[in-house]
Parts: sequence; C-alpha cells; structure tokens
Amino acid sequence: GNSVTQMEGPVTLSEEAFLTINCTYTATGYPSLFWYVQYPGEGLQLLLKATKADDKGSNKGFEATYRKETTSFHLEKGSVQVSDSAVYFCALSGYSTLTFGKGTMLLVSP
Amino acid sequence: DGGITQSPKYLFRKEGQNVTLSCEQNLNHDAMYWYRQDPGQGLRLIYYSQIVNDFQKGDIAEGYSVSREKKESFPLTVTSAQKNPTAFYLCASSTTEQETQYFGPGTRLLVL
Repeated sequence: GNSVTQMEGPVTLSEEAFLTINCTYTATGYPSLFWYVQYPGEGLQLLLKATKADDKGSNKGFEATYRKETTSFHLEKGSVQVSDSAVYFCALSGYSTLTFGKGTMLLVSP
Repeated sequence: DGGITQSPKYLFRKEGQNVTLSCEQNLNHDAMYWYRQDPGQGLRLIYYSQIVNDFQKGDIAEGYSVSREKKESFPLTVTSAQKNPTAFYLCASSTTEQETQYFGPGTRLLVL
C-alpha cells in the first residue's frame, strides 16, 4: 500500500537559515504529492502540491520538486522566519483518500 | 466565504456518553473525511464519504459512527465504545478522493 516517510523532528533553526525537510514515498501509479502546514491548535492548510514527475510546487518561499526516480518530495526554503514555526506534513493521493506522513515540527528562533 | 466549519472548538465527554462533532462545508465538495490526530502519530483516517448517503470505514473506525444525509454535512459521533477518545479531530473535504483536501479548524475532545 501507499506510505509516506518524513524525517523526524523537531527541526530547530535560527531565523534566515536554510530549511530542508525530507519526504519519501511508496505508491503505485502516479500520485499527486502535497505539503500541508499546521499551526498550533489549528487545522491543516495546503502549502503546495505537484501532480506529476519533475513538477515543482511553490508557495510563500517554500518549494518542493516531485522526483519520481528517487520517490521523494523534499520541502525547502531559503530563509526561514520565526512565523514558519509549525508542523509540516507530506502527503500523497491514493485511491480513496490522501496518505499522510507523521509530520515534522519546525522551530525557528530569532 | 467558502470553507469548512467545525463545532464546537472544545468538547467534553463523560463516561458512557455519546457525543457528536459537527462538520459543515460550503465548497460544494463531494468527498468528506474525518481524521483523528494524536501527538506524534500524525493523522489517522476514521471515516470518509465520497457521495451523499454513502460512507466507508477508515483505519480506526471502531467506536465511531457517521452519517451523510446532506452534501454539506458530515457529523461524527464518538460512542461510549471508544475507550480512548481524547484527541484532536479534523474534518476535511475535497472535490474527489484524489484531489487536495481542505481542512476545518478542528475539535478537541476531552474526557471528564
């Protein structure tokens, strides 16, 4: 079946540092890939998505590229801010619903 | 504004009591979902519905029940059979099962 593996957190960075959160997946067919963000006490918000191999999703300075050869969809940002502190979830589309990773907490200090 | 609403924000359950969590969407989405979130375990699917009057069990359906009488509404009942109901419950909807899911703000259920 489908599965998503994310790096464990928390990831702790200083403001303006470079961010990478790794995500790899196992799936049949050609799923769409997603990154969601969750701020404390809130629901999940779509951050970006990619629907086919080599597509790059981007939003608010975050980017991720759909790599079919390495089955990966790593999230990157060139310069993080304190306001980026949140939990980030990688997900892929399946037959009946999305499959989510366990989430990676990001903590950014001033 | 289009979106998903969940109520209440906090809910308290006594032993042996059933409680119902509300989820309403005005996005005209066909598919709706309920997830449970516990610390360190990500999201686990409880139930989902792809069309009115039809729904399927997810990975952890035991102790929960749902109904889908209207396209806009997908309430979740946590029954007394659910022995460990304390969690954060998230409702979501999408145009189809494979597409982007949009989430509500969540309901935190606590046991007294």
